[in-house]
Amino acid sequence: DQQVKQNSPSLSVQEGRISILNCDYTNSMFDYFLWYKKYPAEGPTFLISISSIKDKNEDGRFTVFLNKSAKHLSLHIVPSQPGDSAVYFCAASRPGANNLFFGTGTRLTVIP
Amino acid sequence: DAGITQSPRYKITETGRQVTLMCHQTWSHSYMFWYRQDLGHGLRLIYYSAAADITDKGEVPDGYVVSRSKTENFPLTLESATRSQTSVYFCASRSLDTQGVPQHFGDGTRLSIL
Repeated sequence: DQQVKQNSPSLSVQEGRISILNCDYTNSMFDYFLWYKKYPAEGPTFLISISSIKDKNEDGRFTVFLNKSAKHLSLHIVPSQPGDSAVYFCAASRPGANNLFFGTGTRLTVIP
Repeated sequence: DAGITQSPRYKITETGRQVTLMCHQTWSHSYMFWYRQDLGHGLRLIYYSAAADITDKGEVPDGYVVSRSKTENFPLTLESATRSQTSVYFCASRSLDTQGVPQHFGDGTRLSIL
């Protein structure tokens, strides 16, 4: 049973515009959320995270928003650049657990 | 260079064979993890280890064996490979610190079982 869901397998955005990637989760025990970026033939690399005590975290062009009541988080990339083209994974963890639960990923294509 | 390395990067083998995937990290991280990535499933945890000689099952452990005799190494063995184990395998590590510390991933091993 997929506890973390990314319902959009792909997204295309024009360079310079905003990219919004969405993630939903079902387990209300999750209290930490992360976004990873993955290029082909490479491992996922950590991008940004957010604790459940916050509703927003910003790092340069990347902002993650968390809506706990809706069990939803989103990653905003502004402005989008061609180098952002990759697969983005949402992941979550719960207290006392050492592993991460991953979504199925969204492939972002930024068109020059 | 410091980091986490996996070997081999690509492997083709036959059903029933034993195959071992290697993972080595130079950070002295306490925790190490093995995931598999399959279409429609994202990354799923196979096994993890909290320290040398301490291992535990993840979501999909059946058909896999792990060991951790040294902190820096965490090999994953398929004792009798099956076609359903064709996948991309990722090793990851993180330090002991808090829950929010992200895991660092290797570049993966693409395993094909014929």
